[in-house]
Amino acid sequence: QQPVQSPQAVILREGEDAVINCSSSKALYSVHWYRQKHGEAPVFLMILLKGGEQKGHDKISASFNEKKQQSSLYLTASQLSYSGTYFCGTETSGTYKYIFGTGTRLKVLA
Amino acid sequence: DAGVIQSPRHEVTEMGQEVTLRCKPISGHDYLFWYRQTMMRGLELLIYFNNNVPIDDSGMPEDRFSAKMPNASFSTLKIQPSEPRDSAVYFCASIYSGELFFGEGSRLTVL
Repeated sequence: QQPVQSPQAVILREGEDAVINCSSSKALYSVHWYRQKHGEAPVFLMILLKGGEQKGHDKISASFNEKKQQSSLYLTASQLSYSGTYFCGTETSGTYKYIFGTGTRLKVLA
Repeated sequence: DAGVIQSPRHEVTEMGQEVTLRCKPISGHDYLFWYRQTMMRGLELLIYFNNNVPIDDSGMPEDRFSAKMPNASFSTLKIQPSEPRDSAVYFCASIYSGELFFGEGSRLTVL
C-alpha cells in the first residue's frame, strides 16, 4: 500500500526550513528519500533502516519512527537547488520491494 | 559507469500498437526494477527482478503488460496492445547497497 506524504506542496523562501512527512499503514523495514527535478529521474538522498540512526546529508536530514511507521525529511536553510518533488519509498521487509508515496512538490523562491 | 540506460527516450504510438521499452542496468547490480510514473498515481512499481528472475510482478496492471530479463545486462517491458491510458514515463532502475539508480526514463504517449 502506497505511503502517504504531507504536505502535497510547499513554497519557501531561500533560507527557510521545511519538513516533509511520510506515513505508512504497515510496519516498515526501511524508508528511502529521493528528489526528482522536472523532466529528470529521481535521485537518491538517503536511506533509513529499522533500528538505525537518524541520517544527515549536508543541510538535509531525516528521522524514522518505527513505532509510528513514519519518517520525516528535514530541509534546513533551503537553497534554490532544493526545488523539486520529494518522494519517500517504503519497504516492509528486506526484499527491496520499494513502494513510493505520491510526492511533495517543493519550490524555493529567491 | 554510464548508469542505467533506457531506450527509447520518447515513443509516440497509436492505440493498439505494440510497444517495447528497453533497459540496460548498471553492471554488477543484480536487482532491476520497472516503475511507471503518472501525475495521478505517482511512481508505481510494476515488476522487479533478482538475478534475471522475476520476484514480484503484482504491480503489472494487466495481461497486456509483460517484462523479461534474458540476461544480467538487458530487460524489456512490452505493452501489447497499447492504450491511451498507458501514457506515462516508464523508469528502469537497478540497486546497489539499497540505493536505487534510475535511468532517464522512456516517455510513452499512446494516441
